[in-house]
Amino acid sequence: DSGVTQTPKHLITATGQRVTLRCSPRSGDLSVYWYQQSLDQGLQFLIHYYNGEERAKGNILERFSAQQFPDLHSELNLSSLELGDSALYFCASSARQGEGSGANVLTFGAGSRLTVL
Amino acid sequence: EDQVTQSPEALRLQEGESSSLNCSYTVSGLRGLFWYRQDPGKGPEFLFTLYSAGEEKEKERLKATLTKKESFLHITAPKPEDSATYLCAVRSYNQGGKLIFGQGTELSVKP
Repeated sequence: DSGVTQTPKHLITATGQRVTLRCSPRSGDLSVYWYQQSLDQGLQFLIHYYNGEERAKGNILERFSAQQFPDLHSELNLSSLELGDSALYFCASSARQGEGSGANVLTFGAGSRLTVL
Repeated sequence: EDQVTQSPEALRLQEGESSSLNCSYTVSGLRGLFWYRQDPGKGPEFLFTLYSAGEEKEKERLKATLTKKESFLHITAPKPEDSATYLCAVRSYNQGGKLIFGQGTELSVKP
């Protein structure tokens, strides 16, 4: 157990629907990162939050949004789902030494597998 | 643009047959190079961080090395339990805390 908790583990839904993926970071970690992993794309960075504030955006679609709450858990919202959104979605958290440290290791959760039919 | 390329895409070894995985990178100021192991259907698990050329780190049968352009993950006398996908990632000075990952090398070790 990495200490990063993601729910749900599996989710099957239909095109056009909306889902919310949840992430609880390791105790004390202030940073949360979301990644998408599909067979042909590898691990793609989506978005980074630090202590409730958005810090960086990657190739995140406009149909996707995220937020980090005061208790530091984060949610990734995926709307108007398409077949191509089927993937593993990972959340990772990092220690509170701050983003300036190269030693800031990302600890990943077990992922949420999304299947869009 | 920061980029990470791993080779080979897949590697099949016999138990005890040593080999190396390659990670070539292009970054505008390397702040760290990371190796992760990922088992099917699971999240990546951290192995090593390397910071500067010439640095080496070891853990059991794995040894990671770093040059100015690439990193190698050497696997000595692998066992079937070493079978997994090995991911290389970089963090650069102008990209905040995020990691940029390569596509990974899928390692299979047969008994």
